[in-house]
Amino acid sequence: GAVVSQHPSRVICKSGTSVKIECRSLDFQATTMFWYRQFPKQSLMLMATSNEGSKATYEQGVEKDKFLINHASLTLSTLTVTSAHPEDSSFYICSAQAGGSYNEQFFGPGTRLTVL
Amino acid sequence: DQQVKQNSPSLSVQEGRISILNCDYTNSMFDYFLWYKKYPAEGPTFLISISSIKDKNEDGRFTVFLNKSAKHLSLHIVPSQPGDSAVYFCAARAGGATNKLIFGTGTLLAVQP
Repeated sequence: GAVVSQHPSRVICKSGTSVKIECRSLDFQATTMFWYRQFPKQSLMLMATSNEGSKATYEQGVEKDKFLINHASLTLSTLTVTSAHPEDSSFYICSAQAGGSYNEQFFGPGTRLTVL
Repeated sequence: DQQVKQNSPSLSVQEGRISILNCDYTNSMFDYFLWYKKYPAEGPTFLISISSIKDKNEDGRFTVFLNKSAKHLSLHIVPSQPGDSAVYFCAARAGGATNKLIFGTGTLLAVQP
């Protein structure tokens, strides 16, 4: 299957700082990328959907000014957690999809964010 | 409101026996269902899927059954192997123009040698 990478795999930061997480599709062009968050022993919760070259669509309850998403190219989307707080500590996972809306999503390995 | 539920947080099965993982959903507009396998600190990997117009899909040791009237699907793994030990998530596609997936809470499968 297609490969999706995330960087960094793990990040620890101080409260109040901003953290950027990258999601790359390595061997295909991703017209759509999705960002999920998973708290311990819970489900993956969709945060936002981003299409290349347009603004992201955020799920209800997700602050778009806090979780900035940029999908500037067909192989890269970034999630920036601004002014991070301890409650933002979580496992962030992206997925990438090529072509039409019924194509398979390929998931990245995730990024563990710990905010002190 | 959890639209996709996996009521068993864990399941332990002997190697060689059948593993049955269950999933219930509430939204009749879901048009596609998927099962993913996930190891800790990794992203989910796709296992098998089923369209809402089918009631069964089989791929090797994995079979997914869909009962639309009961809004229930199940994943059967037979024979179970120790390497199958992982968290299994069912997911439902919301349909329409997007490919949004709504995940269940997961079931931790432990296959005992």
